[in-house]
Amino acid sequence: QQQVKQSPQSLIVQKGGIPIINCAYENTAFDYFPWYQQFPGKGPALLIAIRPDVSEKKEGRFTISFNKSAKQFSLHIMDSQPGDSATYFCAASEDQGAQKLVFGQGTRLTINP
Amino acid sequence: EPEVTQTPSHQVTQMGQEVILRCVPISNHLYFYWYRQILGQKVEFLVSFYNNEISEKSEIFDDQFSVERPDGSNFTLKIRSTKLEDSAMYFCASSEAGLAGGSYTGELFFGEGSRLTVL
Repeated sequence: QQQVKQSPQSLIVQKGGIPIINCAYENTAFDYFPWYQQFPGKGPALLIAIRPDVSEKKEGRFTISFNKSAKQFSLHIMDSQPGDSATYFCAASEDQGAQKLVFGQGTRLTINP
Repeated sequence: EPEVTQTPSHQVTQMGQEVILRCVPISNHLYFYWYRQILGQKVEFLVSFYNNEISEKSEIFDDQFSVERPDGSNFTLKIRSTKLEDSAMYFCASSEAGLAGGSYTGELFFGEGSRLTVL
């Protein structure tokens, strides 16, 4: 019930392509859905986040699409660049004080030049 | 830019030894966290700390683990008697506020992690 399932595990895209990473959850109490970007040797860094009252959120080249009825959300990266190569984690938490984030398994994204 | 700093960056210890991992959260933040990431796996929540007490902990955070804010700047994670399966990257994080009430004010800032290797 507490799991967040993420796919694919790894993804290779050519520069300029649009990688899409998908996540699914079961817990209907989840109310906050962030995406984190992690470079090797670094901690995760917040990329973009969404709450279920909207179906899409865009920040720069990054877009989250959210489907509340299907309990799925996805990250799209427009005009992908080699510098976007990193591991991406989706996460979810309930709307409460502290952020007890439940992370997905991660997607290792490689953008080829 | 303010950041969460962690020490040590890497610690090697023998099974059964005590380990203390240290963190300096961002100065005006009120919520503090420890997460861990076993090599190649997902990041897992360990514990959250607010107002000088644990606000929530996971099943992983058993009696071998403890957290402390010994002064106004440091936040520590102690593992009393390390096991092989405690080998992981431990991330400290902090946030200015929580998520309550639907307001998106609680961005979580992670440190670069402390890699713990238990032999």
